[in-house]
Amino acid sequence: DGGITQSPKYLFRKEGQNVTLSCEQNLNHDAMYWYRQDPGQGLRLIYYSQIVNDFQKGDIAEGYSVSREKKESFPLTVTSAQKNPTAFYLCATLWADTQYFGPGTRLTVL
Amino acid sequence: DAKTTQPPSMDCAEGRAANLPCNHSTISGNEYVYWYRQIHSQGPQYIIHGLKNNETNEMASLIITEDRKSSTLILPHATLRDTAVYYCIVRVSRSGGYQKVTFGTGTKLQVIP
Repeated sequence: DGGITQSPKYLFRKEGQNVTLSCEQNLNHDAMYWYRQDPGQGLRLIYYSQIVNDFQKGDIAEGYSVSREKKESFPLTVTSAQKNPTAFYLCATLWADTQYFGPGTRLTVL
Repeated sequence: DAKTTQPPSMDCAEGRAANLPCNHSTISGNEYVYWYRQIHSQGPQYIIHGLKNNETNEMASLIITEDRKSSTLILPHATLRDTAVYYCIVRVSRSGGYQKVTFGTGTKLQVIP
């Protein structure tokens, strides 16, 4: 079954802790993206990667880090430097000029 | 990318066609119209896109006016599972290049039994 998986669906962390969100895809798509969505707001781009071992900052990269060691995987780390980490995080891939999204991870920092 | 305007909410009776409008009066010649939907607490789902011709797939139909300043997404037989926020976006196709999806506030479609 092809697709994009994000785990876990819900994640709780204490303030000051780093946390890594998983994004895996078996669609063989080159480009991958991380977005953040806050209640009542649209999507904001955090990081994107067009190929393995390459990634670029999006509009709100501060307090986040990523890696792209494999084509299938694009994990996002939310660091303690991120001031308001509680949000819904979405991973996406790009194919034929269309973005496809994963199911999302809802992160709550207590 | 051109700005879009959508009604904030709409109701549709189950089994009837849902017609969701979108205005994009500043669209330029190389911009596509894309539709996504987002069911509560899930990731956005791609529905359909088009440039100037009407398009149809297994999920929906997209009708784009001749001047391309507006479009309508048609769900032919709405079901309760179609209740979601529907986003219309307009953007340039950048093959192989950097892409960013920017959603507005969308239309909240409520399908009523």
